Amino acid sequence: KQEVTQIPAALSVPEGENLVLNCSFTDSAIYNLQWFRQDPGKGLTSLLLIQSSQREQTSGRLNASLDKSSGRSTLYIAASQPGDSATYLCAVVNAGNMLTFGGGTRLMVKP
Amino acid sequence: KAGVTQTPRYLIKTRGQQVTLSCSPISGHRSVSWYQQTPGQGLQFLFEYFSETQRNKGNFPGRFSGRQFSNSRSEMNVSTLELGDSALYLCASSPEGAGELYEQYFGPGTRLTVT
Repeated sequence: KQEVTQIPAALSVPEGENLVLNCSFTDSAIYNLQWFRQDPGKGLTSLLLIQSSQREQTSGRLNASLDKSSGRSTLYIAASQPGDSATYLCAVVNAGNMLTFGGGTRLMVKP
Repeated sequence: KAGVTQTPRYLIKTRGQQVTLSCSPISGHRSVSWYQQTPGQGLQFLFEYFSETQRNKGNFPGRFSGRQFSNSRSEMNVSTLELGDSALYLCASSPEGAGELYEQYFGPGTRLTVT
């Protein structure tokens, strides 16, 4: 059974810092990995999708990497802003066409 | 293109009642998945529908059911509500399902409170 873990569970940083969020998974036979953002009480916004054959994806200030063999992904956020404050979730897809989510990292960026 | 829509956004029900939630996927998407989010268990997969057929099912009791219509809109139903069913219910759509190439796009969710 796939298990996804995100570390740290919460993070507070001053504005302007570069930061790294970590995601690990136990079963490396994944189809893809997706990073999401969730604002309080809201739905999920897709940030980046990394296919199993890819090593990284970039979108603006966000960069996500994937190391399937070690079961790890990182989300790098450059020059953080208060508007980046949210919960960040990673999710993997194995056979069965379902997303298995980590517990999330709650990020607070202080002005 | 309009995003995934879910109705209603908020619901308050009493234990023992039943509830139906609705999800309209992005136009052209044929797969709709449902997830339950609670503070204790996080996000958990309920089921996925594709072309009006349930293709995958998570580990939830039979009180949770769903269906998909020919226009890809989907409904989920929870019967005999329990306090533990209080959660944010999210649906997600994708063109073909959560395979290698396809992102899943989520709706805003329905907040269900059972009293």
